[in-house]
Amino acid sequence: GQQLNQSPQSMFIQEGEDVSMNCTSSSIFNTWLWYKQDPGEGPVLLIALYKAGELTSNGRLTAQFGITRKDSFLNISASIPSDVGIYFCAGRLNRDDKIIFGKGTRLHILP
Amino acid sequence: EAQVTQNPRYLITVTGKKLTVTCSQNMNHEYMSWYRQDPGLGLRQIYYSMNVEVTDKGDVPEGYKVSRKEKRNFPLILESPSPNQTSLYFCASSLSGQGVGGYTFGSGTRLTVV
Repeated sequence: GQQLNQSPQSMFIQEGEDVSMNCTSSSIFNTWLWYKQDPGEGPVLLIALYKAGELTSNGRLTAQFGITRKDSFLNISASIPSDVGIYFCAGRLNRDDKIIFGKGTRLHILP
Repeated sequence: EAQVTQNPRYLITVTGKKLTVTCSQNMNHEYMSWYRQDPGLGLRQIYYSMNVEVTDKGDVPEGYKVSRKEKRNFPLILESPSPNQTSLYFCASSLSGQGVGGYTFGSGTRLTVV
């Protein structure tokens, strides 16, 4: 089936560092969504992207819809302890509007 | 408050004993879906519903049933649970289509089948 390759799988960073993660695929998407999942909770939508090249920010978070429509990245600037969690990308396939999820990036912040 | 409510949050059951996980949303969303989350596998779609009385299989539907008799409710039924259905389950809804505008997820149901 279709796959989204999300990387890295996990990250260990120091508080205050910037973070970057991305999702790539061989398929073309018409929407990219980025979610965060806190421990014991369901994923919460952070950013939605609807056009190739679109760059959108939400506080310290910035995400971009790749020009090729096959990838997206999420950056977090100046990380803080509450950024800990699992970040998921999700893309809506252009050919049938089905949404598929990446396997997640688990973010750990070292004190 | 706009939300998706799942019950129960935690459930331990025995193999073969039928169970239902309820899901309700108060946002008048047309689209609802069930996912399971397993380590290393991410979120996999079980079933989805585009509207009342319309349901379709997702990627991993075996062993599950759903129904959509009312717009707000979308229960997940395991007729004869097996240990490989031990997982974290999420219900999600969106205004229309598949996640248009992004899904709202419930808080999850952690199911253990022994």
